[in-house]
Amino acid sequence: EVQLVQSGAEVKKPGESLRISCKGSGYSFTSYWISWVRQMPGKGLEWMGRIDPSDSYTNYSPSFQGHVTISADKSISTAYLQWSSLKASDTAMYYCARHEGFDYWGQGTLVTVSS
Amino acid sequence: QSVLTQPPSASGTPGQRVTISCSGSSSNIGSNYVYWYQQLPGTAPKLLIYRNNQRPSGVPDRFSGSKSGTSASLAISGLRSEDEADYYCAAWDDSLSGRVVFGGGTKLTVL
Repeated sequence: EVQLVQSGAEVKKPGESLRISCKGSGYSFTSYWISWVRQMPGKGLEWMGRIDPSDSYTNYSPSFQGHVTISADKSISTAYLQWSSLKASDTAMYYCARHEGFDYWGQGTLVTVSS
Repeated sequence: QSVLTQPPSASGTPGQRVTISCSGSSSNIGSNYVYWYQQLPGTAPKLLIYRNNQRPSGVPDRFSGSKSGTSASLAISGLRSEDEADYYCAAWDDSLSGRVVFGGGTKLTVL
């Protein structure tokens, strides 16, 4: 069974760093790109960027380029989304999803940034 | 503003057929596949339609997708109360070095 399991909810202060994870199982992790999708409270879905786990090639949305970093460790079938300095506006639910077509999604990681 | 345009809301009564539209441009819907997702309250999105009109296994045939030019539609026939959810369209966009673009979402209410 294909699964994407994300790390748990996080509560952080502005300026802090954070890395959340997405672990794939039940399929060949290096055969499918992984994307990250943001959903702010009460809002729609926004594509942030994607990574090819086979070689860690990344492709970012212009809206998120420079604000987040997407990485992967194929040895443990895990993709990551990280921030070096969080802002209150980063408060959102973050999902990972498998290409093509986002056929499988993680359960989501709620990130709350508040002083 | 989202790159793909969807109506913010739609509604229907049980048993009815409803359609949700998704309008884009030549760089996204006009030249790439369209995907549809259903998001029930408090849950992750679920793939409903892929490659314009294909249903993943387990998705009822009450759901169907179509595409014409730079627009696409999701149709739900035999509406049920459990179909009440948010629906999103998405497509690859060839501009700006390539990116996935979503519609703003349509909240479907079953009256």
